[in-house]
Amino acid sequence: NAGVTQTPKFRILKIGQSMTLQCTQDMNHNYMYWYRQDPGMGLKLIYYSVGAGITDKGEVPNGYNVSRSTTEDFPLRLELAAPSQTSVYFCASSYNPVSYEQYFGPGTRLTVT
Amino acid sequence: KQEVTQIPAALSVPEGENLVLNCSFTDSAIYNLQWFRQDPGKGLTSLLLIQSSQREQTSGRLNASLDKSSGRSTLYIAASQPGDSATYLCAPRRNSGGSNYKLTFGKGTLLTVNP
Repeated sequence: NAGVTQTPKFRILKIGQSMTLQCTQDMNHNYMYWYRQDPGMGLKLIYYSVGAGITDKGEVPNGYNVSRSTTEDFPLRLELAAPSQTSVYFCASSYNPVSYEQYFGPGTRLTVT
Repeated sequence: KQEVTQIPAALSVPEGENLVLNCSFTDSAIYNLQWFRQDPGKGLTSLLLIQSSQREQTSGRLNASLDKSSGRSTLYIAASQPGDSATYLCAPRRNSGGSNYKLTFGKGTLLTVNP
């Protein structure tokens, strides 16, 4: 199992550009999550999904969109990138959010200038 | 709103020492609590998941305890090694409405184990 994979590892965007962060898991987990981690801060939940076709907002969803067309994939889209979106983005998945651990991908480091 | 505090923010110890990392949370209505380690520039690795009905969970040299009623968890690391150097994060999980069983993260404890 590869676990949770994310691409790209690094990206620099100009203000106003758009991009999609990719996340794939091969553990057949229904639950998937996107977090952002700013320096010296805890992780904040952006969006989550409880299964294919079902997504919902987390704490900090503004400026982002997600889709979940398959169990494996949960891409995060940034429209009109802003400097405030400079952060490290982590995707995670879990089988059952109550009893089971969340597994994290390696992260995407995004800089918006 | 759940608030998670981790003390100390940073800790430096000589190799071989036993140490305790502390985590406190304000809302005790949690399902479980997960401890992670994060190496610089890397993702999070799950260390231990302790359910709300459990008092302790052990994995190798790691032991996590949970006192839900007082809103506290500790991570005990025995016989520390330089390879244990990392940031340690705790994250209690509660239901914040609907199907969002939300993890709330502390800012972490940066551990350095000196050879």
